[in-house]
Amino acid sequence: DAGVIQSPRHEVTEMGQEVTLRCKPISGHDYLFWYRQTMMRGLELLIYFNNNVPIDDSGMPEDRFSAKMPNASFSTLKIQPSEPRDSAVYFCASSLLNTEAFFGQGTRLTVV
Amino acid sequence: AQSVTQLGSHVSVSEGALVLLRCNYSSSVPPYLFWYVQYPNQGLQLLLKYTTGATLVKGINGFEAEFKKSETSFHLTKPSAHMSDAAEYFCAVSSGAQKLVFGQGTRLTINP
Repeated sequence: DAGVIQSPRHEVTEMGQEVTLRCKPISGHDYLFWYRQTMMRGLELLIYFNNNVPIDDSGMPEDRFSAKMPNASFSTLKIQPSEPRDSAVYFCASSLLNTEAFFGQGTRLTVV
Repeated sequence: AQSVTQLGSHVSVSEGALVLLRCNYSSSVPPYLFWYVQYPNQGLQLLLKYTTGATLVKGINGFEAEFKKSETSFHLTKPSAHMSDAAEYFCAVSSGAQKLVFGQGTRLTINP
């Protein structure tokens, strides 16, 4: 398996624009996680899914953020409208129940 | 609620010296514990994990960690540091809810 695949690897956008981050989990994994990493706040769990259903979205910072998982092999994290404080590295990870999470390479988002 | 505290945001050791990275956790249920490593501009990679059974767990690259319930600790060690060990290390805890909570990370520097 190629591992967790995220796209794009880098994204630069202007404030107010919509940003969509994409993730393909490892085949067969039934948990999918979105994390955000910043210098100030470290690694924060934004939301996670089990069998394509959102289980806990308490980490989503505000209504500008939304995440979907339309099928077992694809998830998106959308920010609309984007703001400079959203600049961070966003990681997607997947796992099986009670096993370790496998992380993608991340998407480095810069909002100018 | 679960939490992780990593003592020391920066640790510096000489090549060949012992590496000790400290992690204390808080969990209301028996925890699953993990150590991840992150190299620059990359995602997180699992070093080792404790779920049940033997409290001393061995991981990749010569690292090991010991689960001490009485001390709520899961410190990471390596007998002899190598230059390639320079990275950021994250301790994480999860419960049956599958939600991984990370510490703030420890940046390990190896001096030649």
